[in-house]
Amino acid sequence: AQTVTQSQPEMSVQEAETVTLSCTYDTSESDYYLFWYKQPPSRQMILVIRQEAYKQQNATENRFSVNFQKAAKSFSLKISDSQLGDAAMYFCAYRSASGSARQLTFGSGTQLTVLP
Amino acid sequence: DAMVIQNPRYQVTQFGKPVTLSCSQTLNHNVMYWYQQKSSQAPKLLFHYYDKDFNNEADTPDNFQSRRPNTSFCFLDIRSPGLGDAAMYLCATSTDGTGGRPQHFGDGTRLSIL
Repeated sequence: AQTVTQSQPEMSVQEAETVTLSCTYDTSESDYYLFWYKQPPSRQMILVIRQEAYKQQNATENRFSVNFQKAAKSFSLKISDSQLGDAAMYFCAYRSASGSARQLTFGSGTQLTVLP
Repeated sequence: DAMVIQNPRYQVTQFGKPVTLSCSQTLNHNVMYWYQQKSSQAPKLLFHYYDKDFNNEADTPDNFQSRRPNTSFCFLDIRSPGLGDAAMYLCATSTDGTGGRPQHFGDGTRLSIL
């Protein structure tokens, strides 16, 4: 079974600064997908960024980028120019590329605080 | 906009009184999921439907049941809620297509037990 570990329960960053959230995972599969989801307080969980394991190039979405190290099974999220609206719980998630339903395995989350 | 809608946003029920949470989607996704999320924890998958095929997680209590009468709707029934069932319940959908398409989540229903 796959496991996802987020070792930082809480992080804080000054507005306009850069912060990196860590995620490691354990799997014996070679083909899979990794995601970062953001869950603001009392609001919907939304996708931040996605990475295909077969792609070496790191995914980027505006101020959000990942550092995907497949051999190390590491998938960190970098948020540049942090904004107050980035404050949320961030979940790293793994999804197998095989199987019919491809359910997500979540990490325990990192609570990000953005300081004005 | 296509979306996942959960009703109600907040539900209060009494200990032991059956309760039903609902989820609808306009995405026409063939997979629907129910997660339980307790405070400051990761969502925990309860079960999912792949089309009409129901898939229960091994550690989901028998107290939790689900129905999917059609592609658009899915219900979570809690037959005899206990205090430990107070949580946020998230519905999500996805397609089974290739490309690692993400799950789309509803706003959740926060369930309180009196």
